[in-house]
Amino acid sequence: QPVLTQPPSSSASPGESARLTCTLPSDINVGSYNIYWYQQKPGSPPRYLLYYYSDSDKGQGSGVPSRFSGSKDASANTGILLISGLQSEDEADYYCMIWPSNAHVVFGGGTKLTVL
Amino acid sequence: QITLKESGPTLVKPTQTLTLTCTFSGFSLSTSGVGVGWIRQPPGKALEWLALIYWNDDKRYSPSLKSRLTITKDTSKNQVVLTMTNMDPVDTATYYCAHIDIGATMEFDYWGQGTLVTVSS
Repeated sequence: QPVLTQPPSSSASPGESARLTCTLPSDINVGSYNIYWYQQKPGSPPRYLLYYYSDSDKGQGSGVPSRFSGSKDASANTGILLISGLQSEDEADYYCMIWPSNAHVVFGGGTKLTVL
Repeated sequence: QITLKESGPTLVKPTQTLTLTCTFSGFSLSTSGVGVGWIRQPPGKALEWLALIYWNDDKRYSPSLKSRLTITKDTSKNQVVLTMTNMDPVDTATYYCAHIDIGATMEFDYWGQGTLVTVSS
């Protein structure tokens, strides 16, 4: 199974933006996949945030604020979750997910976001 | 309103078989495009997808765990059952079930609260 690489941790101050990355292995082109993002707070199940394929093909989870957005960096083969206007409540673990085929699902290792 | 709830033993012994049940409401597993998946999370670690069953009884398994997993559904009871054989302490984790609609954009959009399973003698 492919491995999705996420930095173990990231931090930013309230009001700033946080850019969380999800790097795909070199044999999988990020441009070909929906990248899904989930948020998980301690003691709670993951919450679906959004998916991103392209600027014309993306979707937001129900009730997810627009300050959560997705993008891709094709040169780095990476999916990106951007959180603008950071709030203390955004402190959580964030996971990316893809469907490498229509037969199975892969999650990234997760990034722990600290709001300083 | 879609809800899911996992149930099963909290403690299993090594080599035993784990059987978990996901009981859901707010949707039907006979509706085209709908599925239920299982995902687990060892304490302090990342999410790991295990298995998925669709409305048409199509089943998908994690390649690394396929030999140990079986997923079934009982549409009349609104339940999905996951069995995992030959349990090991490394299988200690919180096990989640989640709803998916592949007619939409294929995200796990609703999750149960999870059930912690400890494997220990």
